[in-house]
Amino acid sequence: AQKITQTQPGMFVQEKEAVTLDCTYDTSDPSYGLFWYKQPSSGEMIFLIYQGSYDQQNATEGRYSLNFQKARKSANLVISASQLGDSAMYFCAMKAGGTSYGKLTFGQGTILTVHP
Amino acid sequence: DVKVTQSSRYLVKRTGEKVFLECVQDMDHENMFWYRQDPGLGLRLIYFSYDVKMKEKGDIPEGYSVSREKKERFSLILESASTNQTSMYLCASKREFYEQYFGPGTRLTVT
Repeated sequence: AQKITQTQPGMFVQEKEAVTLDCTYDTSDPSYGLFWYKQPSSGEMIFLIYQGSYDQQNATEGRYSLNFQKARKSANLVISASQLGDSAMYFCAMKAGGTSYGKLTFGQGTILTVHP
Repeated sequence: DVKVTQSSRYLVKRTGEKVFLECVQDMDHENMFWYRQDPGLGLRLIYFSYDVKMKEKGDIPEGYSVSREKKERFSLILESASTNQTSMYLCASKREFYEQYFGPGTRLTVT
């Protein structure tokens, strides 16, 4: 069984500073994928970034980067130069390999608040 | 742009009612999913479908059923709604090897 843990219920950051949102995972499958989604107050889930278990380099997408430490089973999201619009709920999720049809296991989420 | 739509943003139903939540995607995706979201629990998978008329149980299928008669439409059915089914329901779709695209969600209240 897969498990995702986000231990930070809430995080605060000053505008223009960087912030790291923690995510640890557990799976016995050697092939898996890790996702981060953002959920603003409007409710819609927005895909941010993806890291495959065999990817050699950490994923980056604009101001988002994923700090992937396979041995520690962690996949932390780093947001650089925070903006007020980054205030939202953030979810880490994992997809197991094989014939899973891409179903995701989600963490509990972290609420990020960006202060001006 | 991929579009996933859900029939209602807010829904209020009474205990014991049969409830239908509809989800439609316009990108010919094979796989569709229904999740419920509760504070402190994240999103939990209820059911998913990998083809028309094909469905599989997720982690919390009890009290729910689904229907997929057409590729673009995936319905979640609460046969007899109960108060513990008050939640946010999110539908998603995807093609193989790609990320899931989510709808705006339906906030269901069962009184």
